[in-house]
Amino acid sequence: AQSVTQPDIHITVSEGASLELRCNYSYGATPYLFWYVQSPGQGLQLLLKYFSGDTLVQGIKGFEAEFKRSQSSFNLRKPSVHWSDAAEYFCASGGSYIPTFGRGTSLIVHP
Amino acid sequence: DAGVTQSPTHLIKTRGQQVTLRCSPKSGHDTVSWYQQALGQGPQFIFQYYEEEERQRGNFPDRFSGHQFPNYSSELNVNALLLGDSALYLCASSLTGGNSPLHFGNGTRLTVT
Repeated sequence: AQSVTQPDIHITVSEGASLELRCNYSYGATPYLFWYVQSPGQGLQLLLKYFSGDTLVQGIKGFEAEFKRSQSSFNLRKPSVHWSDAAEYFCASGGSYIPTFGRGTSLIVHP
Repeated sequence: DAGVTQSPTHLIKTRGQQVTLRCSPKSGHDTVSWYQQALGQGPQFIFQYYEEEERQRGNFPDRFSGHQFPNYSSELNVNALLLGDSALYLCASSLTGGNSPLHFGNGTRLTVT
């Protein structure tokens, strides 16, 4: 069975600092990989997705993620965090358009 | 272009009761998936509907059932509610075929007392 691990429950960064959120997946073949963001009381918004091709994926709001097959990772990065980025971030992996979600990482941004 | 809409936004029920949640997919989408998100957890897949049939199901008991209508909208029904059913229920729509990611609604917050 496929699984997704987000090892960090909470991440705290200062506004303007760089960000990296970790994600590891377990799947036999090359998976479909996603990052979603959830603001309080809201649904999930897709930040970016990887299906194949270039392993560095650009998303919305200045986010990017890199697929590393050798490490089974798909980490999310942003060079400069804004206060409005504070939210819950979910990594998801799926091979049949029904992704399995990690438990999420809560991003806290200090001014 | 309307996104995924869910109703109601909040609901309070008593143990043993039954509940129906509703979802209208994003325009052009034909597939609807339902997820349960407990507090502090990631969404857990309940089931997916396509062409009015349940196409795939997650690890949820038969108390959870659904339906998809010809206009692609969907309902999630939960019978004999338990306290542990309290969660945010998320509906997501997509387009079958091709690389169509899920588009989520804002969810229905169900509280069982």
